[in-house]
Amino acid sequence: EVQLLESGGGLVRPGGSLRLSCAASGFTFSNYAMSWVRQAPGKGLEWVSTVSASAGTTYYADSVKGRFTISRDNSKNTFFLHMNSLRAEDTAMYYCAKDRDIVPTTNFDYWGQGTLVTVSS
Amino acid sequence: EIVLTQSPATLSLSPGERATLSCRASQSIYSYLAWYQQKPGQAPRLLIYDASNRATGIPARFSGSGSGTDFTLTISSLEPEDFAVYYCQQRSNWPRTFGQGTKLEI
Repeated sequence: EVQLLESGGGLVRPGGSLRLSCAASGFTFSNYAMSWVRQAPGKGLEWVSTVSASAGTTYYADSVKGRFTISRDNSKNTFFLHMNSLRAEDTAMYYCAKDRDIVPTTNFDYWGQGTLVTVSS
Repeated sequence: EIVLTQSPATLSLSPGERATLSCRASQSIYSYLAWYQQKPGQAPRLLIYDASNRATGIPARFSGSGSGTDFTLTISSLEPEDFAVYYCQQRSNWPRTFGQGTKLEI
């Protein structure tokens, strides 16, 4: 059974940093691109970032480029989102998501339950 | 950035009725469109990918169609568990983008 478990969310002051983690199990993690998608309270979905299966390629939304860094550790079946210079508008539930195919598609067939990030003074 | 516009914002129907949801892209995205369902307090669920392919385990009452800029998600006969918010998402260009959602309510 595929499982994705996020951790690392919490309350942080504007300008602060957080590192989100997503632990994966139930599939060959090193074969799949992985992504972060966020959802502000009461709002829609926003794609944040994607890392390729080998970690050789990364992509970012313009809203987080230069502030967030995605990475992965295939030996530990875990990937991360390092978030710096956090702003109030980064407040959201952050979901980790698995690509549906070995060939990267950025269609997401499994999602974690989310970790809440709140940026407030 | 490709903008996806979903309509209507809210759709009010009854169980057993047919639902038709629309997603329009600001430029051609070929067939690179997916649909997700999200219920309150839950993560999204992939329904359809590449415009018309049902994801694993998705019931046959869900179908997708379209190409280029205009896409449709059809639910042939609504079940009580289908009342939720539906999002479209494109994978044609970076950044990947979602529509703003259609709320399907009873």
